[in-house]
Amino acid sequence: DIQMTQSPSSLSASVGDRVTITCQASQDISNYLNWYQQKPGKAPKLLIYDASNLETGVPSRFSGSGSGTDFTFTISSLQPEDIATYYCQQYDNLFTFGGGTKVEIK
Amino acid sequence: QVQLVQSGAEVKKPGASVKVSCKASGYTFTSYGISWVRQAPGQGLEWMGWISAYNGNTNYAQKLQGRVTMTTDTSTSTAYMELRSLRSDDTAVYYCARDSGGSYSSWGQGTLVTVSS
Repeated sequence: DIQMTQSPSSLSASVGDRVTITCQASQDISNYLNWYQQKPGKAPKLLIYDASNLETGVPSRFSGSGSGTDFTFTISSLQPEDIATYYCQQYDNLFTFGGGTKVEIK
Repeated sequence: QVQLVQSGAEVKKPGASVKVSCKASGYTFTSYGISWVRQAPGQGLEWMGWISAYNGNTNYAQKLQGRVTMTTDTSTSTAYMELRSLRSDDTAVYYCARDSGGSYSSWGQGTLVTVSS
């Protein structure tokens, strides 16, 4: 099974800050990597697919990069509505989620 | 618009089974797979398995093999997930999601399954 190691598990940042989350795969997954946002009590929402493609309707302050085993998710300017938990997910071999990163406002 | 509507919350005793439904609308059901994902209280997302709505092929997470069965009814555009021999650590919110080439752009609202004696 492919393992996805996401870090940090939580972070606190100020409104307007740049926020970066990383995800490392246990083996090469090419660009078969998605990023989701989940708010409390809600289903996850797809933000980034194929490592770097912005889902329709998602604000451009969200972005993703990487390929192979190392991936990065960035919020260029943190907004209050971005408070949520973010998950990476690989789909190169079946599906696996990372452990999640809880983003809070400082 | 694409909608996935799941069945309501369930309370089950240890050792029992539960079957959760996921009714799809707004798209051609047989053109996409359906995955099931669960989330224990305060925990992360766990992929449970996938079913092709086209031909019924399935892939299950290794840890659930033998306890989970996923099926579809194309006549009603509904997917089902049955989990047997329930344990307390199966208490979770269970989600269905439409698989668009590996990405889940549409999700059900979630079904809380509580396992308690």
